[in-house]
Amino acid sequence: AQSVTQLGSHVSVSEGALVLLRCNYSSSVPPYLFWYVQYPNQGLQLLLKYTTGATLVKGINGFEAEFKKSETSFHLTKPSAHMSDAAEYFCAVPTQGGSEKLVFGKGTKLTVNP
Amino acid sequence: NAGVTQTPKFRILKIGQSMTLQCTQDMNHNYMYWYRQDPGMGLKLIYYSVGAGITDKGEVPNGYNVSRSTTEDFPLRLELAAPSQTSVYFCAIPTSSNTGELFFGEGSRLTVL
Repeated sequence: AQSVTQLGSHVSVSEGALVLLRCNYSSSVPPYLFWYVQYPNQGLQLLLKYTTGATLVKGINGFEAEFKKSETSFHLTKPSAHMSDAAEYFCAVPTQGGSEKLVFGKGTKLTVNP
Repeated sequence: NAGVTQTPKFRILKIGQSMTLQCTQDMNHNYMYWYRQDPGMGLKLIYYSVGAGITDKGEVPNGYNVSRSTTEDFPLRLELAAPSQTSVYFCAIPTSSNTGELFFGEGSRLTVL
């Protein structure tokens, strides 16, 4: 069964520093990959997704992620962190077998220090 | 979050009480999902439905029941609330992208004391 591992439950960076949040998937190559963001006391919203084509995907708020099949990874990056990026980030992949179910990683909480 | 409405937003229950979390969508999707979110655990699928009258268990269905009598509504019922059911519950529907992408409601925060 498909699963997702997010390395680091908490990541802390300084404002203006690089943000790197790690995501690895298991087993077979998923057709799609997603990053969701959850701001404090809010629901989840899509940050970016990989479907087909270019492996470097750009999302909202300056975030991007690169699908690397050889490394089974889909790490999320942002060149320069902003205070408003403080949130929890979730990587997700569809399960196998249809029904469009998503499997989520445990999440990474990003703190941005002034 | 237009498209998926969850009620209530907050609720405190006593152990053993029952309640229903409501989820209504106006996008006419066949698929609907209930997830729970716990700190440090991500989101876990409780139940899902592929259409009116059809429901199936997800990863963590114990202690919950669902029904799907209409396309619009997918209520989640807790029959005998337990402290382990303290969580944030999210209802979701697929987007039109056909990629597995989900659109989430704003969530219902439930505390069982």
